[in-house]
Amino acid sequence: GAVVSQHPSRVICKSGTSVKIECRSLDFQATTMFWYRQFPKQSLMLMATSNEGSKATYEQGVEKDKFLINHASLTLSTLTVTSAHPEDSSFYICSARDSILTREQETQYFGPGTRLLVL
Amino acid sequence: AQKVTQAQTEISVVEKEDVTLDCVYETRDTTYYLFWYKQPPSGELVFLIRRNSFDEQNEISGRYSWNFQKSTSSFNFTITASQVVDSAVYFCALSEGTTGGFKTIFGAGTRLFVKA
Repeated sequence: GAVVSQHPSRVICKSGTSVKIECRSLDFQATTMFWYRQFPKQSLMLMATSNEGSKATYEQGVEKDKFLINHASLTLSTLTVTSAHPEDSSFYICSARDSILTREQETQYFGPGTRLLVL
Repeated sequence: AQKVTQAQTEISVVEKEDVTLDCVYETRDTTYYLFWYKQPPSGELVFLIRRNSFDEQNEISGRYSWNFQKSTSSFNFTITASQVVDSAVYFCALSEGTTGGFKTIFGAGTRLFVKA
């Protein structure tokens, strides 16, 4: 089946630094990828929709200048947490839609997630 | 707007018991997709099932079964003869067909504990 990878799997950084998380579709092309954030014992909250070749669409309440998303190719989207603070510590999960699937075949493939800890 | 409600925060059962996880959804679209995912302690989401809004057939896969009722906007998940390995958080999710822009919205999740 389709596989989505994320790198790094976990990262610890100092407050004020920026962290980049990569999301790759390994055996399919994805014009659309999604970024989610999950705090401990909570649900996945959609942060933004990443579209290849265009600007990301952010959900209400998500700061686009803080969470920079780049979807430069059909297999790679990156999320950069700029000037990270302890409250940004969370589990970040990406998902990707296979571009060739029809809406009736709709399935999102999720990455394994990235645990971010900001000290 | 789309919404998914999983009213059961935590459920604890003894091995071999049957357990049903409830999911109620809201959407204004006539075409939508419902999902169940399992999230074990590792954090990685495991896809369990997708159901299209135009297909109300219930489904069984081994010990898992799903009951889709459009009349009550529910998509409940039953595990028969539960096992310790079933312990995880289970999420119900909804993706709207047209207005949702392919976004998937998750319910709050139900944490299932299966005791030996």
